[in-house]
Amino acid sequence: SQTIHQWPATLVQPVGSPLSLECTVEGTSNPNLYWYRQAAGRGLQLLFYSVGIGQISSEVPQNLSASRPQDRQFILSSKKLLLSDSGFYLCAWSVLGNRNTEAFFGQGTRLTVV
Amino acid sequence: AQSVTQLDSQVPVFEEAPVELRCNYSSSVSVYLFWYVQYPNQGLQLLLKYLSGSTLVKGINGFEAEFNKSQTSFHLRKPSVHISDTAEYFCAVSDRGTGGFKTIFGAGTRLFVKA
Repeated sequence: SQTIHQWPATLVQPVGSPLSLECTVEGTSNPNLYWYRQAAGRGLQLLFYSVGIGQISSEVPQNLSASRPQDRQFILSSKKLLLSDSGFYLCAWSVLGNRNTEAFFGQGTRLTVV
Repeated sequence: AQSVTQLDSQVPVFEEAPVELRCNYSSSVSVYLFWYVQYPNQGLQLLLKYLSGSTLVKGINGFEAEFNKSQTSFHLRKPSVHISDTAEYFCAVSDRGTGGFKTIFGAGTRLFVKA
């Protein structure tokens, strides 16, 4: 069966420090991968999605970047965190197909920038 | 461009009462529609989805939703809620034409079930 791992679960980082959040998927090949951010009291905002290795699409201009060095690995990064980067970050995956179009989510990383 | 509007940010309801969480979407193409539930500090879990066929979709935990193309709505309903249904619920839409690459979520509705 497919599983998705996202870590760390919580993170407190000072302003200006770098960030690296990692997400890996098991049990499927060539998944579509996503990073979402959920700010307090708001819905989920799609940050990045990837349809293959090295293929990253950015949805909104921001202080973050994403990379996909391997088929089932998706990394969210920042060189210098801002206070506004605080939020709940969710990684997700999906595959094409008539019956499997929903996204499956990791457990999330709560990032607090102080 | 697609968008999703969840009309209620919070819905308080007593246990065993019925509930409806409203969702409207806008899209110029055919879409897939979803409802997800999120418990505190956790990821999202799929409740149900509409891909095609019958407009009444049944999901887990006794929830159901009805796709109304003319009103571009996908409201979530449950005839009798439990305390354990307290959570945040998200409506989502993805573009059938692009194979669901972009799933857009609403702002969420927080359901409070009171004893």
